Parts: sequence; C-alpha cells; structure tokens
Amino acid sequence: QVRLVESGGGVVQPGRSLRLSCATSGFTFSSYAMHWVRQAPGKGLEWVAVILYDGSHQYYANSVKGRFTISRDISKNTLYLQLTSLRPDDTAVYYCARDVRGSEDYWGQGTQVIVSS
Amino acid sequence: DIVMTQSPDSLAVSLGERATINCKSSQSVLYSSYNKNYLSWFQQKPGQPPKRLIYWASSRDSGVPDRFSGSGSGTDFTLTISSLQAEDVAVYYCQQSYSPPYTFGQGTRLEIK
Repeated sequence: QVRLVESGGGVVQPGRSLRLSCATSGFTFSSYAMHWVRQAPGKGLEWVAVILYDGSHQYYANSVKGRFTISRDISKNTLYLQLTSLRPDDTAVYYCARDVRGSEDYWGQGTQVIVSS
Repeated sequence: DIVMTQSPDSLAVSLGERATINCKSSQSVLYSSYNKNYLSWFQQKPGQPPKRLIYWASSRDSGVPDRFSGSGSGTDFTLTISSLQAEDVAVYYCQQSYSPPYTFGQGTRLEIK
C-alpha cells in the first residue's frame, strides 16, 4: 500500500535551517510529482512546493520562494524539503503528498516544525 | 496568483440534510486542451491529514461515498453532501492546481445543527 512518512521536524531558532524528509513506499516514486503542504497551528492549508516526477521543474509558494528547496532522490524513494532562513511564521505541520490527476491524493501524517528563539 | 475564496466560512446542517459549500477562483481553472477543471476538494478531520474527495471538479476519488459530489466549471464550483452524516463533520478545502502556486481556499467548517 502507498505510504508516505515525514521526518526531520523539530524546534529551530529563527534564521536557522532544517531539512525535512518524506520516505515513500508502495508505488513507483519516480513516476509521480510530489508536493509539500503545510498547516500553521489552528490555520488552513498552505501549499508550499511541487517537484515534477523527473525532478525537471520545481514550483514554490511566494512565501517560501528563495528560502525553501524541494528535491527528490529516486534511489532512496525519498522527497526532501530544505528550509533555510526560517521565520516564526514558518511554524507548521509539514505534509508531503503524492500527485495523481493534478492534485494530492495520498498524504503523510506530517512533521511538526517550530521556529522559536 | 489565483485566489480561492470559499463560502460560507462555517456551516451547520441537520443530519440527513443537504450541505453545500461554494468555491470561487479569481481566474478560470479550466484547462481547455483537456476540457478539465483543475479544482479539487479535500476533507480534514481533527488531528488527521487532509483526504481528497473530488478531483477535476467532479470526479470522486475511490472509496468516497456517493453522497459527496462536485460541480461547476471555470471559476465557480460547489461541493455538495446530499445527506449529511455524523462522520462528515470536518473542515473542507478547495484547491486549484491549474497554475502554480496551487492555492487553497480558506476552508469551510461543517458542523451538525
């Protein structure tokens, strides 16, 4: 069955960096675009980034462009999100999700990122 | 960027009654080449990740009860729950995936009256 498991979250000071991982199984990872979506405490969903199935293109939300980088390692069936220059308003649960038919069908359980001094 | 606006922000409906949630995009999300609207609906229950219910505006995901239906085209869309069940209490989001950034609506909280 399809599984997505995020890791790498934690408490980090403003201005520091963090790398999130999303380990996948149960499907051919190299055939699907993948997304990151986040949700701040008590708030709605915010789409963060997408990477195409072959890694050829990446797109970002304006709020993270230039600070976050999405990437993938086909050999490890793993999706990444590198977070730099973190700000308190980056505090959120970060979800990875697979893209089928133009949007996110399977989601992981999320990893919590808290940006605080 | 495409702005997605849902209405209402919250909704209370009696069990067995119809619930309707609207979503409006600031520009068309109809991909003419494929004749598909890149509009999805998600359900999120407390403490859980979102679950996709509808893609391409009106196609139901596998396993989603047929009381959930999506309609609309261009810029105006609707999610309808034909007969509300207790397990449908959740927050519902629309999302456009026509053009990045793939923006979500602000969410609609659905409760039992």
